[in-house]
Amino acid sequence: QKEVEQDPGPLSVPEGAIVSLNCTYSNSAFQYFMWYRQYSRKGPELLMYTYSSGNKEDGRFTAQVDKSSKYISLFIRDSQPSDSATYLCAMSIGPTGTASKLTFGTGTRLQVTL
Amino acid sequence: DAGITQSPRYKITETGRQVTLMCHQTWSHSYMFWYRQDLGHGLRLIYYSAAADITDKGEVPDGYVVSRSKTENFPLTLESATRSQTSVYFCASRDSGTGFTGELFFGEGSRLTVL
Repeated sequence: QKEVEQDPGPLSVPEGAIVSLNCTYSNSAFQYFMWYRQYSRKGPELLMYTYSSGNKEDGRFTAQVDKSSKYISLFIRDSQPSDSATYLCAMSIGPTGTASKLTFGTGTRLQVTL
Repeated sequence: DAGITQSPRYKITETGRQVTLMCHQTWSHSYMFWYRQDLGHGLRLIYYSAAADITDKGEVPDGYVVSRSKTENFPLTLESATRSQTSVYFCASRDSGTGFTGELFFGEGSRLTVL
């Protein structure tokens, strides 16, 4: 069983829809949670970062962490065609040294259609 | 140019040949990483380095060698390439300063095909 599970999609939604992307994990030691966005043939870029449980909002994006369920989510409101990309969740145990290594999900490919 | 650059961007080689993928960053970040990205597996860590002359294995290190004699360079060598090493390879870096956000800065990737 992988430490981090993520539905690979693809997920296709119409422009303006609310998108929900999710990851589950098995290692309860994870404390830091990130979402990366990767456009085709590019490297991933950090989109959102949260520490421990709770919600964090940044414009149209909301990251949610539920440590009791070992479940994290990324919500995209008013989705745009420019949001079409692969979204990877990532997490780490700590902020320094070996513990700061990121474990990535497999990524969910999102397509927002006109 | 500032940033993190990988070369070559595309490489085709044959089984058994040695291949070196180069990675160069201009930020003086202390941490550097090599990942491979495959369908169904996502990004998997091959090797990482916390500073010059300090390297450590990641999740899938077999068949790969790294070195880091200078802070800015982190080459990855496939000593004897195998078909299973066909993949997209990403180099990444991050600073070791305070305020950890998990932000890695990735290169654009090196697409390697082993025939």
